[in-house]
Amino acid sequence: AQSVTQLDSHVSVSEGTPVLLRCNYSSSYSPSLFWYVQHPNKGLQLLLKYTSAATLVKGINGFEAEFKKSETSFHLTKPSAHMSDAAEYFCVVSGYNKLIFGAGTRLAVHP
Amino acid sequence: DTEVTQTPKHLVMGMTNKKSLKCEQHMGHRAMYWYKQKAKKPPELMFVYSYEKLSINESVPSRFSPECPNSSLLNLHLHALQPEDSALYLCASSGLAGGAYEQYFGPGTRLTVT
Repeated sequence: AQSVTQLDSHVSVSEGTPVLLRCNYSSSYSPSLFWYVQHPNKGLQLLLKYTSAATLVKGINGFEAEFKKSETSFHLTKPSAHMSDAAEYFCVVSGYNKLIFGAGTRLAVHP
Repeated sequence: DTEVTQTPKHLVMGMTNKKSLKCEQHMGHRAMYWYKQKAKKPPELMFVYSYEKLSINESVPSRFSPECPNSSLLNLHLHALQPEDSALYLCASSGLAGGAYEQYFGPGTRLTVT
């Protein structure tokens, strides 16, 4: 069965410092993995997607994620946080016929 | 254009009312989804339509009734809801059904049941 664990429920960074949001997954087959972002009272926006073509995936707004099979991880990073990055982030793994969502990580960015 | 639209943005309804949520996409996607999201929680899948046919119903109460009139439209009919049904209702679409396909989400309808 597929599952996903987001290791931090809250992350707080200062503007201009790096962002690291951690995600571990479990899958009985080669998975597709996604990161979505949700700003307050908005829908979910796809940041990036891994589908085995390349282990380092670049997404929108300067985000990227690295697929590490040996560690079953898919951490999301950004070199320099911006105030507009403050939001809820969901790591998602492909199930057989649906998406499996992590619990979410709330990112706060301070001036 | 990767846009999914939803109407209305906000809806307040009494427990005896009947209302409908609407969702539309023009990306040529053949799978559409309804999710329910409570505050500070991830979305929960409710229904999946594939090629306009209901393929997944996640044991949702019958007071929620989905409808897919055509490949671009998805409705969710609401009747006799309970206060605990208050939530953000999200629509999504993907090229095909299945977990490997990225889903594009609409902005949601904020539903309050009084």
